[in-house]
Amino acid sequence: EVQLLESGGGLVQPGESLRLSCAASGFTFSSYGMSWVRQAPGKGLEWVSIISGSGSTTYYADSVKGRFTISRDNSKNTLHLQMTSLRAEDTAVYYCAKKVIAASATHCFDLWGQGTLVTVSS
Amino acid sequence: EIVMTQSPATLSVSPGERATLSCRASQSVSSNLAWYQQKPGQAPRLLIYGASTRATGIPARFSGSGSGTEFTLTISSLQSEDFAVYCCQQYNNWPLTFGGGTEVEIK
Repeated sequence: EVQLLESGGGLVQPGESLRLSCAASGFTFSSYGMSWVRQAPGKGLEWVSIISGSGSTTYYADSVKGRFTISRDNSKNTLHLQMTSLRAEDTAVYYCAKKVIAASATHCFDLWGQGTLVTVSS
Repeated sequence: EIVMTQSPATLSVSPGERATLSCRASQSVSSNLAWYQQKPGQAPRLLIYGASTRATGIPARFSGSGSGTEFTLTISSLQSEDFAVYCCQQYNNWPLTFGGGTEVEIK
């Protein structure tokens, strides 16, 4: 079955760190760029970061640059998001998502996980 | 960053009627635009990319048009399962940006 399954969310205090993971199955993981997109409670979607299939190229939203690091392990079909110096405004459901077309500039997403909730609060 | 503005915020439509949703970019994004559908408690679902290409498995009643800064998503005959929030996303420039969404509700 083609799917993405996120894990690692939870409640943390401001300034703490958290690592999210996304396990992929049912497709050739290493061929596709992958992204993290978040959604604060009751709000719209916000793109966070993207990584190429090989892992050699990454981009970040300004709001997380320098605090979050995206990475992937193609041998384990897993995507990660290391989040440090967390702030209240990082509270959101975090989705991992697969690009619709492999190795292309079409940076939109046709497969999404169910999301994992990150809550940053003291 | 490119700001994506959607209108209206809420659209009230009767089942079987046509729905027309708009998305405007603050600068040209060429045809690098996608549309998603999202229902409460669910992940987004890709409907359209390249402004007008339907994603795999998307019914023909969904169509997209436009280029540059003005885009439209049309649902030709609303079915009960189509009542949801729809958002657009540009992928012409970094950072990728989403519109705030249009909620299509039952009239």
